[in-house]
Amino acid sequence: DQQVKQNSPSLSVQEGRISILNCDYTNSMFDYFLWYKKYPAEGPTFLISISSIKDKNEDGRFTVFLNKSAKHLSLHIVPSQPGDSAVYFCAASAQNTDKLIFGTGTRLQVFP
Amino acid sequence: EPEVTQTPSHQVTQMGQEVILRCVPISNHLYFYWYRQILGQKVEFLVSFYNNEISEKSEIFDDQFSVERPDGSNFTLKIRSTKLEDSAMYFCASSFDGYRATQYFGPGTRLLVL
Repeated sequence: DQQVKQNSPSLSVQEGRISILNCDYTNSMFDYFLWYKKYPAEGPTFLISISSIKDKNEDGRFTVFLNKSAKHLSLHIVPSQPGDSAVYFCAASAQNTDKLIFGTGTRLQVFP
Repeated sequence: EPEVTQTPSHQVTQMGQEVILRCVPISNHLYFYWYRQILGQKVEFLVSFYNNEISEKSEIFDDQFSVERPDGSNFTLKIRSTKLEDSAMYFCASSFDGYRATQYFGPGTRLLVL
């Protein structure tokens, strides 16, 4: 079941630069997307979400972009900070369900 | 800031034993969930619960699993007869609304079945 894919298992970015994390999905019924951040031995922490009626949502340093035709979304973090180092999960839910389908995650490392 | 809490943080059990994982969702939330993450794999949905009944469950959530909201604050996951493959991190989550709502996750219970 690969409905949500994060093809980059890891990403390394210098502090102050932009981090771009990508996510692809295959199920055209998905209409709500979320990004979570996870530190080791902790639960996923909600970052930002976007519904399919929008193509961009911004919250402080975090912006999520949705390209429905390409079934692709991305999370931009700018400027990146060392505290952003974590595993980032993309998740999606389909119409008329609140079940979240998660991607495999991308480990972001922000170095000084 | 309100948060979801889970107990215990770690649980070691013998195969065939029953375990109960406990969660206290955020107090004004109405929708409750269990997910699990086997080491090295994705976070997987197990079950959603609303209005004192299961609203959706995955193929993983077979007859060995059950959920309950025994009082106004706790939400539990019971595994009746644990198997080795039940070893995973179990996350509880809650949301105020169901569809298109943000789910807030607890810190997880790491279950190890020997």
